[in-house]
Amino acid sequence: GAGVSQSPRYKVAKRGQDVALRCDPISGHVSLFWYQQALGQGPEFLTYFQNEAQLDKSGLPSDRFFAERPEGSVSTLKIQRTQQEDSAVYLCASSISTGAANSPLHFGNGTRLTVT
Amino acid sequence: QQQVKQSPQSLIVQKGGISIINCAYENTAFDYFPWYQQFPGKGPALLIAIRPDVSEKKEGRFTISFNKSAKQFSLHIMDSQPGDSATYFCAASITGTYKYIFGTGTRLKVLA
Repeated sequence: GAGVSQSPRYKVAKRGQDVALRCDPISGHVSLFWYQQALGQGPEFLTYFQNEAQLDKSGLPSDRFFAERPEGSVSTLKIQRTQQEDSAVYLCASSISTGAANSPLHFGNGTRLTVT
Repeated sequence: QQQVKQSPQSLIVQKGGISIINCAYENTAFDYFPWYQQFPGKGPALLIAIRPDVSEKKEGRFTISFNKSAKQFSLHIMDSQPGDSATYFCAASITGTYKYIFGTGTRLKVLA
């Protein structure tokens, strides 16, 4: 596709529910990132994939967060037993190469998760 | 050491004026400094980026000024337009790595 596509755009979950957020990166992009953006804040790194390999998950806030990219393209971020503090916009980004300065990050429009 | 401090938090500028947003960092290993623009309901989009081997980079109405000794860099928007009203994020990274550290953002409003 022309850009990074994320779905759903909005998700309302009751506390304790599990949610799954999908990201379709730009075709051929090697690197895929998930960021969390709280209201009025900058994006904060969650996890990084190079093709299907999850090379860094140091930003995942707890073991309730899980991400996968099994075939090196589409990625899913899963949050189990959602809590109110999980409410945020979840941004997916992709880039064509593996180095930060070699190619820019292309962000999707995010999924706004609200936990009630 | 991993933080990027951004100011101001919000900025109001008259149409035609100059908007200036500042960022400061501590980690001297950072060597790539992009600025991202984000409109409401959209993801951030790369606006302009600089490496520390130059002190200034200009693209159209957007200029990055870089002060390596002070570990500061800033975004200047000349002839600001209402369409520039958005949130701007500075970021820092290290060449060859994948991690970006983002500032907290500046909400710019340009009055018509």
